[in-house]
Amino acid sequence: EPEVTQTPSHQVTQMGQEVILRCVPISNHLYFYWYRQILGQKVEFLVSFYNNEISEKSEIFDDQFSVERPDGSNFTLKIRSTKLEDSAMYFCASSVMGVTNEKLFFGSGTQLSVL
Amino acid sequence: AQRVTQPEKLLSVFKGAPVELKCNYSYSGSPELFWYVQYSRQRLQLLLRHISRESIKGFTADLNKGETSFHLKKPFAQEEDSAMYYCALGYSSASKIIFGSGTRLSIRP
Repeated sequence: EPEVTQTPSHQVTQMGQEVILRCVPISNHLYFYWYRQILGQKVEFLVSFYNNEISEKSEIFDDQFSVERPDGSNFTLKIRSTKLEDSAMYFCASSVMGVTNEKLFFGSGTQLSVL
Repeated sequence: AQRVTQPEKLLSVFKGAPVELKCNYSYSGSPELFWYVQYSRQRLQLLLRHISRESIKGFTADLNKGETSFHLKKPFAQEEDSAMYYCALGYSSASKIIFGSGTRLSIRP
């Protein structure tokens, strides 16, 4: 079965630095998502992306966050100036159509540690 | 506001015993409900969704709109069912789903 791939699996950065988390969604999928999970807490929605623009974003997804699909295969999440509280597991997901009709396929996650 | 509540952080049952993982939701529209599962060292994956009305790995879940619940059930637990289970709500008018806080199911031999 095709998979969503995420790189790197672990990222350590200093507070205030920019990080880019990378994802390769499944090739025929049209909707892309980022979620995060702070240790011991729930999986939280960050943003959804369709047709090269943001469809929906949460209150967590402030001006420090941005997403991009720079080419036909990658989907990236950028955090401009990381804070300690950004430390979390970040999951990318994709679906053929919107979530209400199709299941989400998740990547294995990037563990971000901000020191 | 839309919300998914899973009241149990941990549920531990013996192998062969029935399992029920509770999920309640809050949404004024027409909900899409899902159960996702994460086995040890594996990625989060869909277990089942209410619209399909299917049984996967012996699990079923019935949407009860009156009680706003979508409990996950299995009559006879197996050791391989040990995992983290997340109930999730999709909005009919939005391109996202939100997750509950999860229940860790532990099956004792």
